[in-house]
Amino acid sequence: KQEVTQIPAALSVPEGENLVLNCSFTDSAIYNLQWFRQDPGKGLTSLLLIQSSQREQTSGRLNASLDKSSGRSTLYIAASQPGDSATYLCAVRGNEKLTFGTGTRLTIIP
Amino acid sequence: EAGVAQSPRYKIIEKRQSVAFWCNPISGHATLYWYQQILGQGPKLLIQFQNNGVVDDSQLPKDRFSAERLKGVDSTLKIQPAKLEDSAVYLCASSLDPGLAGRGTDTQYFGPGTRLTVL
Repeated sequence: KQEVTQIPAALSVPEGENLVLNCSFTDSAIYNLQWFRQDPGKGLTSLLLIQSSQREQTSGRLNASLDKSSGRSTLYIAASQPGDSATYLCAVRGNEKLTFGTGTRLTIIP
Repeated sequence: EAGVAQSPRYKIIEKRQSVAFWCNPISGHATLYWYQQILGQGPKLLIQFQNNGVVDDSQLPKDRFSAERLKGVDSTLKIQPAKLEDSAVYLCASSLDPGLAGRGTDTQYFGPGTRLTVL
């Protein structure tokens, strides 16, 4: 059974700093890994999707990496802004479904 | 392009009552998912439909939860009777047919969710 862990559970950083969120998973037989953003009271927004054959994906200030053999992914956010405050969830796609981590609640301090 | 629509946005009921949620996926998306997200946890898949058929309902508490997707478009999720532990956000998501998009590239698009409180 796939298990996804995200550390830390919560993180507060001053505006402008670069930061890294971590995700680990137990079963490396995955099709892809996705990072989502969730704002309070709202649904999930897909940020980045990394296919199992890829090592990283970039979108603007976001960069996600995938090391399938070690079961790890990181989400790097450059030059953080208050608008980045949200909960970030990673999810791995197995044979039929997504398995989510519990998320990292990020607060950017102005 | 319109996103995934869900209603109601909020619902408060007493335990042992019944409740139903509605979802309208993105037009053309063959696959529809219902997730349960308990406070402080990640979403957990309850049921996945491919067109009209159920692909995975292994984590659906079938003694009280039911779901249907008539005509392969809209879907409803019902809880009868509700328990206190059913308090959660119920998220609906949709995606293209993985056979077309490829399992490596298919992205799920989520609706805003329905927040259920059972008293």
